[in-house]
This record gives sequence, C-alpha cells and structure tokens, in this order.
Amino acid sequence: SQKIEQNSEALNIQEGKTATLTCNYTNYSPAYLQWYRQDPGRGPVFLLLIRENEKEKRKERLKVTFDTTLKQSLFHITASQPADSATYLCALDRGSTLGRLYFGRGTQLTVWP
Amino acid sequence: DVKVTQSSRYLVKRTGEKVFLECVQDMDHENMFWYRQDPGLGLRLIYFSYDVKMKEKGDIPEGYSVSREKKERFSLILESASTNQTSMYLCASRPRTDGYTFGSGTRLTVV
Repeated sequence: SQKIEQNSEALNIQEGKTATLTCNYTNYSPAYLQWYRQDPGRGPVFLLLIRENEKEKRKERLKVTFDTTLKQSLFHITASQPADSATYLCALDRGSTLGRLYFGRGTQLTVWP
Repeated sequence: DVKVTQSSRYLVKRTGEKVFLECVQDMDHENMFWYRQDPGLGLRLIYFSYDVKMKEKGDIPEGYSVSREKKERFSLILESASTNQTSMYLCASRPRTDGYTFGSGTRLTVV
C-alpha cells in the first residue's frame, strides 16, 4: 500500500526564516504531488500541485520540489510569517481516473515573532 | 471559486441512529470523496465516487454507505451510529487533474 511520511509532526521557526517541510513516499510513484494547508477546525485548502516531470514549482512565497529518484518532495515557505502557522499536508496522486489522493499526516508549522 | 458545502457544521446524534451527512459541490466535478479526520490518525478515506451512481470503498468503509444520485451531491450515511464514529467528517471534490476542494467539515458527536 502507499505510504507517505512527513518529516516531523511539528516544526517551529522564527518569523522571516524559511520553513522547509519534507514529504517522503514509498511504493508507487505518483504522477502528481500536492500540498495543502489546514487551519484548526477547517478543511484543508489546496496550495500547489507538481507533476512528476517537473523539478520545481513556485507560487509567491511558496516553492515545491519533487525528486522522483529520492522519492521526496520539499515544501518551502520563504520569509515566513505568523499567519503561515498551520498544518501542512502532502498528498500523492497516482493519476488514476478514480481521482483519489493518498495523504500524509501533516506537519504542524508554528512561526513565532 | 469552487464551493463544497456540507450541510451541518456540528451534529450530535444518539447511538443507533441513522445519520445522513450531505455534501454539495457547484463546479460539475466528476470525483467526490468522504474522509474522516481524527487526532494522530490524519485523513482516512471512507468512500469515493467518480461518477453518478458509481462508488468505491476507501480504506475504512465499515459502518458507512454512500449515495450519489446527482453529480453535485454526495451523501454519507452512518447506518447505525456508534460512539467510535465521533469524528470530523470532510467532503471533497475535484476535477480529473487538479487539487481537491474540501468543505468546511462536519464535527459529529455520537452520544
């Protein structure tokens, strides 16, 4: 079965620094990898999608990399702010028409002033 | 923006009751999903659907069923609610190759 591991349950960094979150997977190779943000008591919100033939993708202060050899994705938030504090989930998409994703358990990021 | 609406934000039901959780999306997405989320366990897929009247079991379907009579609506049914079904329930929809849009969630308590 698909296994997705996110590097740590919690990450604490100071405002202005770059937060780096890790997602490792085993078994099947995904066609896409996605990242979501979840605030307490709310549903996750889609942030970014990266395809297996893309090395890197950026969106404002967010950057995602995808290394299919290492079976790893890194998610970076540059110039982090307290408002970035949330849980971040990675999800694997095998590209099936059934459309299901395989989610990691998330990393809780806290950015302190 | 795509909107996924879950009928209730909070729900309290008694053990043994039949419970219906409704989810409606407004963007003509083919795929819809029901997850539950519990502390320390992450998101667990209950059922999903890739077309009207089509359904697939997820990882934890026991004690649940689903209905998709129309493309925009995907209902989760707890046949006989039990206390171990107390959880946050999240509905999501997606087009074929893009991210999920999640609803705001229903926090269900079974007493």
